[in-house]
Amino acid sequence: NAGVTQTPKFQVLKTGQSMTLQCAQDMNHEYMSWYRQDPGMGLRLIHYSVGAGITDQGEVPNGYNVSRSTTEDFPLRLLSAAPSQTSVYFCASSQTEGEKLFFGSGTQLSVL
Amino acid sequence: EDKVVQSPLSLVVHEGDTVTLNCSYEVTNFRSLLWYKQEKKAPTFLFMLTSSGIEKKSGRLSSILDKKELFSILNITATQTGDSAVYLCAVGNYGQNFVFGPGTRLSVLP
Repeated sequence: NAGVTQTPKFQVLKTGQSMTLQCAQDMNHEYMSWYRQDPGMGLRLIHYSVGAGITDQGEVPNGYNVSRSTTEDFPLRLLSAAPSQTSVYFCASSQTEGEKLFFGSGTQLSVL
Repeated sequence: EDKVVQSPLSLVVHEGDTVTLNCSYEVTNFRSLLWYKQEKKAPTFLFMLTSSGIEKKSGRLSSILDKKELFSILNITATQTGDSAVYLCAVGNYGQNFVFGPGTRLSVLP
């Protein structure tokens, strides 16, 4: 009964480094998304996907890339980390777009 | 631009009190409204409200949706310390994604 699994839980990067946040779901959900959560700003959408092979930008996509080669996996790549990307990142999925979202446990990322 | 506003942003009550959390929104082509509870990490789902389901209740928690006035409220009766959390409201419209409000931080004191 895993649901949405995110790794790693914590990560510290230096400015300019790249990394990939992993997200996997085992519920056969079509829709997957990445959010970042900053104090006082709620959750903001970075990128989303409505199915394998289809991705699109959300509200704050700059500095991030995604791909969706399988239904299960939706990795988020930071191309060249900046201190402004220090945040908590959540992956979420739903059966289809517009249905209730199931969230992963989050990744706390610090960029020094 | 779609917008979700929650009030109050922070609230402190004592156990046994009843609280009302507010969520107002401006979105085009409204589809649904979600309420989540966030303790330490991942938000957990509470309610989904749509045109066909404007009232929900689960135990001490209940929620209503007023589509005419564009708001929703989340009520918690007989609060307990375990209700301490951030409560998030999110609104979705057709063809687009959910927009989240900033959340209401509820602290329940013993």
